[in-house]
Amino acid sequence: GENVEQHPSTLSVQEGDSAVIKCTYSDSASNYFPWYKQELGKGPQLIIDIRSNVGEKKDQRIAVTLNKTAKHFSLHITETQPEDSAVYFCAATKNRDDKIIFGKGTRLHILP
Amino acid sequence: DGGITQSPKYLFRKEGQNVTLSCEQNLNHDAMYWYRQDPGQGLRLIYYSQIVNDFQKGDIAEGYSVSREKKESFPLTVTSAQKNPTAFYLCASSLGVGSPLHFGNGTRLTVT
Repeated sequence: GENVEQHPSTLSVQEGDSAVIKCTYSDSASNYFPWYKQELGKGPQLIIDIRSNVGEKKDQRIAVTLNKTAKHFSLHITETQPEDSAVYFCAATKNRDDKIIFGKGTRLHILP
Repeated sequence: DGGITQSPKYLFRKEGQNVTLSCEQNLNHDAMYWYRQDPGQGLRLIYYSQIVNDFQKGDIAEGYSVSREKKESFPLTVTSAQKNPTAFYLCASSLGVGSPLHFGNGTRLTVT
């Protein structure tokens, strides 16, 4: 089955700097890769996603890149702000499979 | 507003007792899911249901049971057979395969 590895587990960046979180997946048939943000005491919320027919997607300060050959995808957050502090999860799935497999999460701290 | 409601937010039980966690959605989604979250473990799938009156085991179904009698509702019972029931439980829904998940805000279960 699919396996998703996520790194780093903890990341601290200065406010205003960029943050990058990386994930790798094992099943080459996976074709949908969402990213979720979880704030303390709440459920995860989708922040951006990408499908395998696209190499990059951007939404304001957030971007995701996908390298299908290497089977890895990354989340990029630019001009980080205090409200970006949270736990971020990557995930992977394929259209014919209703199970979404999550990475173990990255706790992002934005330092003042 | 459409969304997913999990209740209660905090739940305390004595060891040996069964307990049922509630999950209701008004998003008209066909698929519903239960995840368990432990520190450093990410999100692990317990059970999922793609349609009313049907459900499948996820990766860690032992000691749990579910029902899906209505499209809007997907309750999870944590039985006394679950060896480590203390955890944060998240319910989610989606339109179906390959669609983003919408999460509730979770129930924190403590068993002593």
